[in-house]
Amino acid sequence: GQNIDQPTEMTATEGAIVQINCTYQTSGFNGLFWYQQHAGEAPTFLSYNVLDGLEEKGRFSSFLSRSKGYSYLLLKELQMKDSASYLCAVNGQAGTALIFGKGTTLSVSS
Amino acid sequence: KAGVTQTPRYLIKTRGQQVTLSCSPISGHRSVSWYQQTPGQGLQFLFEYFSETQRNKGNFPGRFSGRQFSNSRSEMNVSTLELGDSALYLCASSLEVSGVQETQYFGPGTRLLVL
Repeated sequence: GQNIDQPTEMTATEGAIVQINCTYQTSGFNGLFWYQQHAGEAPTFLSYNVLDGLEEKGRFSSFLSRSKGYSYLLLKELQMKDSASYLCAVNGQAGTALIFGKGTTLSVSS
Repeated sequence: KAGVTQTPRYLIKTRGQQVTLSCSPISGHRSVSWYQQTPGQGLQFLFEYFSETQRNKGNFPGRFSGRQFSNSRSEMNVSTLELGDSALYLCASSLEVSGVQETQYFGPGTRLLVL
């Protein structure tokens, strides 16, 4: 079967660093995406990994290990506006079909 | 460049009715995918269209169907609505060049409530 696991909820304080983990088991792999979704809004693209290693983009970084079926999203210098759901998604086949995890709700407090 | 647009944004229907949702992709994007999002199941893939052809299909019953037009706009239809079809329906478009995976950009969604 195909499965993507990520923690349901996480909490952190402003200015801190938080790491959101994602493990996946899919029949194929064509890349892993992270999306951010604020309540009542559409998901917005954060990062894409297709090769092993770390991709850095401002305060956000994403890491991938294909051999371990593992990824994480690292958020630095947390701000209140980072409170949202973070979705891990794998493209496991030809085309653009994404398999999503159920999302991690991050709450940032002052 | 305008983003992905979806109409209508909100819809209320009763059981047994049918509904058609519309999605206009980002200009130049030829791939359109549809997803259903519910609190219990999260985001689930419905189907993907590319160049007017359904390329992939998720694990949903035949009541869910879609199509894509020559201008890449897409519609999805749900017939014989059930209470469990209440969800946020999201459309995403991507630019595909030579089969290379590209990022999907999501529209604001259509929130469907079935009574």
